[in-house]
Amino acid sequence: KQEVTQIPAALSVPEGENLVLNCSFTDSAIYNLQWFRQDPGKGLTSLLLIQSSQREQTSGRLNASLDKSSGRSTLYIAASQPGDSATYLCAVKVKNAGNMLTFGGGTRLMVKP
Amino acid sequence: EAGVAQSPRYKIIEKRQSVAFWCNPISGHATLYWYQQILGQGPKLLIQFQNNGVVDDSQLPKDRFSAERLKGVDSTLKIQPAKLEDSAVYLCASSFSAGDTDTQYFGPGTRLTVL
Repeated sequence: KQEVTQIPAALSVPEGENLVLNCSFTDSAIYNLQWFRQDPGKGLTSLLLIQSSQREQTSGRLNASLDKSSGRSTLYIAASQPGDSATYLCAVKVKNAGNMLTFGGGTRLMVKP
Repeated sequence: EAGVAQSPRYKIIEKRQSVAFWCNPISGHATLYWYQQILGQGPKLLIQFQNNGVVDDSQLPKDRFSAERLKGVDSTLKIQPAKLEDSAVYLCASSFSAGDTDTQYFGPGTRLTVL
């Protein structure tokens, strides 16, 4: 059974810092890994999707890497802003499992002005 | 393109009462998912439909939870009777199909508080 863990559970940083969020998974037979953002009281917004054959994806100040063999992914946020404050979730899709996503518990990020 | 719609957005009930949530997926999406997200945790899949058939309901507490998608479009999730531990956000998602290449799109969620 796939298990996904995110560390840390919460993070508070001053504005302008670069930061790294971590995600680990137990079953390396994944199809892809996705990072989501969730604002309080809102649904999920997809940030980056990395296919199993890829090593990283970039979008603006965000960079996500994937090391499938070690079961790890990181989300790097450059020059953090107060508007980045949210919960960040990673989810993995196991191959041939009916499009099922398994989520980590999330990292709650607070960027202080 | 309209996204996944859910209603109500918020619901407060007392324990042992009943509650129902509604989801309208993106037009043309055959696969629909209901997730439960307890505060401080990631979403957990409760049930997955392919058209009007159930694909996976292994994590649905069937003694109190039920879900249907009678015409293969809209879906309703019901809790009867509710318990305190059912307080959570209930997320609905849809995808074109259930293949590995299909992307899930999420609705805004319904926040349930059980008192």
